[in-house]
Amino acid sequence: AQSVTQLDSQVPVFEEAPVELRCNYSSSVSVYLFWYVQYPNQGLQLLLKYLSGSTLVKGINGFEAEFNKSQTSFHLRKPSVHISDTAEYFCAVSSNDYKLSFGAGTTVTVRA
Amino acid sequence: KAGVTQTPRYLIKTRGQQVTLSCSPISGHRSVSWYQQTPGQGLQFLFEYFSETQRNKGNFPGRFSGRQFSNSRSEMNVSTLELGDSALYLCASSTGLATDTQYFGPGTRLTVL
Repeated sequence: AQSVTQLDSQVPVFEEAPVELRCNYSSSVSVYLFWYVQYPNQGLQLLLKYLSGSTLVKGINGFEAEFNKSQTSFHLRKPSVHISDTAEYFCAVSSNDYKLSFGAGTTVTVRA
Repeated sequence: KAGVTQTPRYLIKTRGQQVTLSCSPISGHRSVSWYQQTPGQGLQFLFEYFSETQRNKGNFPGRFSGRQFSNSRSEMNVSTLELGDSALYLCASSTGLATDTQYFGPGTRLTVL
């Protein structure tokens, strides 16, 4: 079974500042890793995913994440945030079992 | 290309009733997954269907059931509703490969009174 821990439940950040959202996972098998974003009253939208290969993954809206197998981490970063990045962010893991296991989520609030 | 659609978007029921939620996947997608989202438990996997067959099931009581039709549309049913079933129910579709992205619908907000 897989599990995901998002280390920060809330992250306040000023506009144009960088942000990092931390995610650690545990699994006894090889995994695929995802970051999703959820805006209020909406479903989830994929930001990026790691399947294999290069450990640095680039996604939409300027986000990127780095897979670190030795530390079982998949942290999400953005060098400069906008007000529109205010949302809830979810890290998720899956293997070959056709389901996503999500972390508890990190609420990012961007202030002017 | 149209996204995942879920109907209805909002639903209010009373304890003991049953409810059916519907999900239409992206055209060409054969896999549909269901998730429950609550403030207390977060996002939890309910079940996944591929070509009308359930391939995986989460840890939910038997009151929660689902099915998939030959056109890949899916329904989930909750019988004997409890207050704790109040949640946002999200449906996601994909091609069915384990590595494929799951595309989520806007969800159905169920309130049980």
